[in-house]
Amino acid sequence: AQSVTQPDIHITVSEGASLELRCNYSYGATPYLFWYVQSPGQGLQLLLKYFSGDTLVQGIKGFEAEFKRSQSSFNLRKPSVHWSDAAEYFCAVGAKEYGNKLVFGAGTILRVKS
Amino acid sequence: NAGVTQTPKFQVLKTGQSMTLQCAQDMNHNSMYWYRQDPGMGLRLIYYSASEGTTDKGEVPNGYNVSRLNKREFSLRLESAAPSQTSVYFCASSVSPRANYGYTFGSGTRLTVV
Repeated sequence: AQSVTQPDIHITVSEGASLELRCNYSYGATPYLFWYVQSPGQGLQLLLKYFSGDTLVQGIKGFEAEFKRSQSSFNLRKPSVHWSDAAEYFCAVGAKEYGNKLVFGAGTILRVKS
Repeated sequence: NAGVTQTPKFQVLKTGQSMTLQCAQDMNHNSMYWYRQDPGMGLRLIYYSASEGTTDKGEVPNGYNVSRLNKREFSLRLESAAPSQTSVYFCASSVSPRANYGYTFGSGTRLTVV
């Protein structure tokens, strides 16, 4: 089945430490790739997106993500996490096989310890 | 710059009651979407409207109906609410049906059916 997988349900990192959140997808063609963040009680905010070109994309709040075609992955990274980064993060894929609509992963909850 | 506005923010229904969730966007977007968010399942598409005058089913349409009232407004109706419909509902909009533009989300409606 076509899907978007975020293998980590919860991740805890110390403030100042680096972060990597994983995302894998199973669509055949190169899809459109997104990362969204959701703070408690809020809607989803777009962090970054990839359509084509440079496989390393920069987003807001110091986040970046790298598209690796060979691994069907689009992992989100941040060099130094701040306490305000604690939130839930969603990877989303827009694929022709799904009528170009966004399909979301189950989310990864990030906890930041001081 | 309101973006996507959803009303109400919170609602408690008794089983069998009906209600309509309202969504309006002021960005002149053509496409609108309704998702539900459940723990561990990410966001799942209920219905969408690629353009004014059209609506289509998404992944989980059973028990819901929608109306694209005009270009700005897209409502979601529960005719006979069930406890399984307890969820957080998000409305989103995009410039076009192609996913490459990403979606803009509202802040959500938290619905509890007792």
